[in-house]
Amino acid sequence: DAGVIQSPRHEVTEMGQEVTLRCKPISGHNSLFWYRQTMMRGLELLIYFNNNVPIDDSGMPEDRFSAKMPNASFSTLKIQPSEPRDSAVYFCASSISLQGTDTQYFGPGTRLTVL
Amino acid sequence: SQKIEQNSEALNIQEGKTATLTCNYTNYSPAYLQWYRQDPGRGPVFLLLIRENEKEKRKERLKVTFDTTLKQSLFHITASQPADSATYLCALSDSSYKLIFGSGTRLLVRP
Repeated sequence: DAGVIQSPRHEVTEMGQEVTLRCKPISGHNSLFWYRQTMMRGLELLIYFNNNVPIDDSGMPEDRFSAKMPNASFSTLKIQPSEPRDSAVYFCASSISLQGTDTQYFGPGTRLTVL
Repeated sequence: SQKIEQNSEALNIQEGKTATLTCNYTNYSPAYLQWYRQDPGRGPVFLLLIRENEKEKRKERLKVTFDTTLKQSLFHITASQPADSATYLCALSDSSYKLIFGSGTRLLVRP
């Protein structure tokens, strides 16, 4: 298996632009997680899905952030409009289910820079 | 509020020694605790999971302890190697299945 796939790996954009990050989870995994990592705040959970349904989006910082999972093999995280403070590494992770013992498999991340 | 603390200072040790990393938490009653490894420019990789009713878990050169009274987990790497150099993250989960991560401790193993 190729593991969790994220694109793009790097994104540089200007403030006010729309940014879309993409994720393909591991085939057969039913749960998908979006995280953001910064030096100041560490790794923060933004939102997670189970069977394509959003379960908890309490970590989404603002209405500028939205996430979708139209099918089991694809998810997007969108920021509109982007701001410099959104600069971070965004990780997508997937797991077989939402059991507390399930391992989360992380993608390589997307490094976002908003100028 | 819930808080997970890992030593923010890097741990610098000599090859062959045992590395011990600490994870402390407050205002939290986790059912599970996990340890992940993260290399620069990569996503975290799962290493070990320990349940609240387990005191110790081992995997090859790795050992994790979980003390719910002290609200602390210790992560040990025995016979450390330069290839063990990375950032190690602890993560807690309760019945909601959300993982809350610590900020990580960077380990540097000198040859």
